[in-house]
Amino acid sequence: DIQMTQSPSSLSASVGDRVTITCRASQGISNSLAWYQQKPGKAPKLLLYAASRLESGVPSRFSGSGSGTDYTLTISSLQPEDFATYYCQQYYSTPPWTFGQGTKVEIK
Amino acid sequence: EVQLVESGGGLVQPGRSLRLSCTASGFTFGDYAMSWFRQAPGKGLEWVGFIRSKAYGGTTEYAASVKGRFTISRDDSKSIAYLQMNSLKTEDTAVYYCTRGDLLWFRVPKYYFDYWGQGTLVTVSS
Repeated sequence: DIQMTQSPSSLSASVGDRVTITCRASQGISNSLAWYQQKPGKAPKLLLYAASRLESGVPSRFSGSGSGTDYTLTISSLQPEDFATYYCQQYYSTPPWTFGQGTKVEIK
Repeated sequence: EVQLVESGGGLVQPGRSLRLSCTASGFTFGDYAMSWFRQAPGKGLEWVGFIRSKAYGGTTEYAASVKGRFTISRDDSKSIAYLQMNSLKTEDTAVYYCTRGDLLWFRVPKYYFDYWGQGTLVTVSS
């Protein structure tokens, strides 16, 4: 199984900050990576897939990059509605589909 | 508008069974794979099981933690996916999410999950 490791596990940031979350796979996943946002008590929401393709309706301040085993989610200017937990998920070698442990973005 | 609505959750004793349903609308259900995920209280996301569309054989896959106990099925005529859960354990306590699998081709089909239901809580306790 491919293990996914996110860092940091949590961060504190202010509105307007640039935020970067990283995700490392235990082996190469050829950009087969999705990012999800989850707010408390709500279902996860797809933000990006194929590492850098923005899902329809997702604000352009969200972007993704990376290759091989290392991937990044960037929020260019953090907005109040962006405070949430973010998960990466690989879909290169399945089953199983595997997630990072999550990164909680909190208000500084 | 794509909608996925889970139902059937609740409190159940260890060893008993429960069946979850996922009613879909807003898309041609039979054209898509479906999957179930779960999230234990205060924990991260875990994949549970997956069913391909009939066009890709309608076959299923399961996480090791539920294989042999859980069964996924689908009724394309009703646009419903099911998760039959038998021999439930306390560690199966979680919110269960139904998701739609979208397909990307990368030599072989790769599935990611673009729509999620609101989830249904399953509590396994005596």
